[in-house]
Amino acid sequence: SQKIEQNSEALNIQEGKTATLTCNYTNYSPAYLQWYRQDPGRGPVFLLLIRENEKEKRKERLKVTFDTTLKQSLFHITASQPADSATYLCALDEDTGGFKTIFGAGTRLFVKA
Amino acid sequence: DADVTQTPRNRITKTGKRIMLECSQTKGHDRMYWYRQDPGLGLRLIYYSFDVKDINKGEISDGYSVSRQAQAKFSLSLESAIPNQTALYFCATSAGAHGEKLFFGSGTQLSVL
Repeated sequence: SQKIEQNSEALNIQEGKTATLTCNYTNYSPAYLQWYRQDPGRGPVFLLLIRENEKEKRKERLKVTFDTTLKQSLFHITASQPADSATYLCALDEDTGGFKTIFGAGTRLFVKA
Repeated sequence: DADVTQTPRNRITKTGKRIMLECSQTKGHDRMYWYRQDPGLGLRLIYYSFDVKDINKGEISDGYSVSRQAQAKFSLSLESAIPNQTALYFCATSAGAHGEKLFFGSGTQLSVL
């Protein structure tokens, strides 16, 4: 069955360090992969999209990589700040032509000052 | 004003009651979605609609129904609520050609006693 895996354990890092979150998937051949941020009690907010023919995408302090051979994406936040503390969700398009987005359970990030 | 508005924000109801959750959007998007979120399970797709005349079941549609009253309005109904439908429900829209880049509402926390 199709599966998206993100670290269920929270990631704790010190302010100023780089946070790296992992998304692994199985039994998918997605055309693109997305990352969203979710704060407690709020809806997810779109951050970045990377397509299957792209290796890396950057937006300000954010960087995403996409390795279709390893079936893995890495999400990096450089120079992290306490305001970056949130849950980060990985999402893929379900490759059935139905244009549906499937989400991982997310990884909680805590950035300590 | 929010681009995607959900009402109510919170609802407590009893087993067997019929409940309707409403969603309206001002983004002008054709594609609208209903997801539910449970701790540790991530977001799961209930129903989605590509336009007023097109409604599709997601992975967990049993026990739910939807109505797309207009391009801007998409409501979710629980015909006879049961306790395991207690969850956080999100409405989303998408402008992407393949359903990517979702915009979420703030969610409805539903508790079924």
